[in-house]
Amino acid sequence: TQLLEQSPQFLSIQEGENLTVYCNSSSVFSSLQWYRQEPGEGPVLLVTVVTGGEVKKLKRLTFQFGDARKDSSLHITAAQPGDTGLYLCAGARNTPLVFGKGTRLSVIA
Amino acid sequence: EPEVTQTPSHQVTQMGQEVILRCVPISNHLYFYWYRQILGQKVEFLVSFYNNEISEKSEIFDDQFSVERPDGSNFTLKIRSTKLEDSAMYFCASSELVTGKAYEQYFGPGTRLTVT
Repeated sequence: TQLLEQSPQFLSIQEGENLTVYCNSSSVFSSLQWYRQEPGEGPVLLVTVVTGGEVKKLKRLTFQFGDARKDSSLHITAAQPGDTGLYLCAGARNTPLVFGKGTRLSVIA
Repeated sequence: EPEVTQTPSHQVTQMGQEVILRCVPISNHLYFYWYRQILGQKVEFLVSFYNNEISEKSEIFDDQFSVERPDGSNFTLKIRSTKLEDSAMYFCASSELVTGKAYEQYFGPGTRLTVT
């Protein structure tokens, strides 16, 4: 069974702070996706990382794929209230995505 | 920007009834998927579909479930005889290819299925 463990489960920070959330597995993935999900809505794709060690930036969000392609991190710089939401990582070996439980981020103004 | 659409947004049905959930994938995508998310739990894979046939399915996708692409645009999930434990959000997703960009699966807004 491929498991993706996300940490922390909950995170509450003040506006302007930096944060990092993690996605870890004992399995190797061909790629890893980060999604953001709002309550009652579908996951929205933020980024895909494919190569071990790859770093991708999306404005204030920095995503990194571990060298061994078993883990990933999402770093947010100068968090804003609009960043509040559930951040999901999902790994792929074939076509089915395996999702983590997510990190619920709350950014307080 | 192209997006996956799903109907209905909310379906309430009685236990034992059949339901059909509908999805319109992104038009140039070739791979289609159904996932479900029970309230408070992980998003779980149900089935993937390519070239008019199922390519992979999970243990959840038993004989009560079926998928179909009845025309060039719609992709449906049928649950033959619903059970209380089928209550969940059902998400349709689509992607361009198996390799490379196939991992970039784009999700619809979901159908909330409530079985009473």
